[in-house]
Amino acid sequence: DAKTTQPPSMDCAEGRAANLPCNHSTISGNEYVYWYRQIHSQGPQYIIHGLKNNETNEMASLIITEDRKSSTLILPHATLRDTAVYYCIVSLTGTASKLTFGTGTRLQVTL
Amino acid sequence: SAVISQKPSRDICQRGTSLTIQCQVDSQVTMMFWYRQQPGQSLTLIATANQGSEATYESGFVIDKFPISRPNLTFSTLTVSNMSPEDSSIYLCSDYSGGEQFFGPGTRLTVL
Repeated sequence: DAKTTQPPSMDCAEGRAANLPCNHSTISGNEYVYWYRQIHSQGPQYIIHGLKNNETNEMASLIITEDRKSSTLILPHATLRDTAVYYCIVSLTGTASKLTFGTGTRLQVTL
Repeated sequence: SAVISQKPSRDICQRGTSLTIQCQVDSQVTMMFWYRQQPGQSLTLIATANQGSEATYESGFVIDKFPISRPNLTFSTLTVSNMSPEDSSIYLCSDYSGGEQFFGPGTRLTVL
């Protein structure tokens, strides 16, 4: 699986958009970009995933660059409950869907 | 989305003993996985639990230490054998369904 690079920590004011970057320069053509988050002492929670088109759901938006070497997860209106460690993971889908977790970005949302 | 439960939620065990962790999914799923999260660390995949066959282990994990069962499409167990303090971790199961992995709440294990 391709390796990802994320900043270790970020701060965001409540109500503002949180933009979390991820570099995955060695991604292969059939690998998806997944985002998960882990709120303290809980199991990871799926957020969103995409192949090459931008994706949006009720939680977040995923912007993938045209060359697919990087992506950004956007939480449009961050709240205190969004404080968590966010993991960007590159993986195949289907029967080869093992997830390799990196160190992630610790997002702190503040008042 | 699948709902996953784990038992026990936490345990404190003596070194040299074994603990079996149960993972129950509320619907039939093709793939189940077991992860370990050591204190302050990220998650590491232990193995893929295959229904009707032996589990597939990742590098650094062996069946003698972490035997896994998967008797049907909704249930799996992970045993941590001959425990040492280094096995103190959170153990999480997950399932793959519809392009997403869902994780259980984890089992927090402390080995004294």
